[in-house]
Amino acid sequence: GAGVSQSPSNKVTEKGKDVELRCDPISGHTALYWYRQRLGQGLEFLIYFQGNSAPDKSGLPSDRFSAERTGESVSTLTIQRTQQEDSAVYLCASSLEIYTDTQYFGPGTRLTVL
Amino acid sequence: DQQVKQNSPSLSVQEGRISILNCDYTNSMFDYFLWYKKYPAEGPTFLISISSIKDKNEDGRFTVFLNKSAKHLSLHIVPSQPGDSAVYFCAAENNAGGTSYGKLTFGQGTILTVHP
Repeated sequence: GAGVSQSPSNKVTEKGKDVELRCDPISGHTALYWYRQRLGQGLEFLIYFQGNSAPDKSGLPSDRFSAERTGESVSTLTIQRTQQEDSAVYLCASSLEIYTDTQYFGPGTRLTVL
Repeated sequence: DQQVKQNSPSLSVQEGRISILNCDYTNSMFDYFLWYKKYPAEGPTFLISISSIKDKNEDGRFTVFLNKSAKHLSLHIVPSQPGDSAVYFCAAENNAGGTSYGKLTFGQGTILTVHP
């Protein structure tokens, strides 16, 4: 079956511009997670959704970052006024339920801020 | 504050031999540990996990060992195959009391290369 998909796969933008990253989770998965991986570092947890709700947004790096999920399906991660330190691979994962269920990752979106 | 550390950025092993990937953690509240494998241009895929009530979990060629007193876990791959060449991430979670929401804390990853 279809796995987690993310678009675009690559995004190059200029400093100060806004970007939107999209995640399509596996159908029926109630939990959705966003991570980012900066060069040479591990995956950094950003935010999770249970259904369409994001109970804990404390992992978002700054108020320039926001995320939403609709229809318990697609999620978008928006970064406003991008900075060079936002350059990273942004990974989305989904799982059937919120707890210790296996998280299935998408291929990621590589964001480069010039 | 790096709560999960993989101190070896890379490991090179001959086909057929054992690969041992190590991971250390500092947060004593972590009680569930996972290993993920990542190929280039793909997302990480789940490999094997272990709960803190166990000290070993085995799945085919993959075995994870947990030493809680040392806050250390390791992944053994025996025998190693060229197709195992990938980046391996360990991850940890605090699932005590069912309060976890799946937040995983990842290490930096170790690049494993298995030579034919």
